Amino acid sequence: DAKTTQPTSMDCAEGRAANLPCNHSTISGNEYVYWYRQIHSQGPQYIIHGLKNNETNEMASLIITEDRKSSTLILPHATLRDTAVYYCIVRPGVHYGQNFVFGPGTRLSVLP
Amino acid sequence: GAVVSQHPSWVICKSGTSVKIECRSLDFQATTMFWYRQFPKQSLMLMATSNEGSKATYEQGVEKDKFLINHASLTLSTLTVTSAHPEDSSFYICSPQGQNTEAFFGQGTRLTVV
Repeated sequence: DAKTTQPTSMDCAEGRAANLPCNHSTISGNEYVYWYRQIHSQGPQYIIHGLKNNETNEMASLIITEDRKSSTLILPHATLRDTAVYYCIVRPGVHYGQNFVFGPGTRLSVLP
Repeated sequence: GAVVSQHPSWVICKSGTSVKIECRSLDFQATTMFWYRQFPKQSLMLMATSNEGSKATYEQGVEKDKFLINHASLTLSTLTVTSAHPEDSSFYICSPQGQNTEAFFGQGTRLTVV
């Protein structure tokens, strides 16, 4: 079973920031928080991951609470192409043979 | 990110025939390959895990004689759906992982059995 809970769906206006929350209250000390997204009829696309510090890359920012029990993915300026299902997954970082366990994710709709 | 090539991207086959899906890791060696499937409006579910040169390990409820996995090389793995039936219609996604690297995902294969 997935170890995370996310809202089923969210809407965001184009050009505004999209903030996607994720709860992972049972996260272990060696587990990272990963974010992937899946655009319709495509394979999952990596967005970002982190352990305890906030992370930023060209796609998004990841804010992890100090107790690591929740996190927020931020898309700073959402575009229509960001409409997708976003998955928050916790698992050990680089670990040989570890698969991802996908929950239902959050369906983000970016509206014009 | 790493380059993963999965094809075909979509296939339609007749009931009772077999379909082979290929997954290639183009710029790294995939010591482990995960195969997922995704039914409409559902999330990805792990079907099986294979390590190069070894037999695949299947998840509960996945028939190993129906979903044949070959992982004979570090850059290529195949999933063959044998004697396909309409209920096998799904979106199949490979995910190769190198030793001490992250897992990446293929583009997926939409299988429709008619």
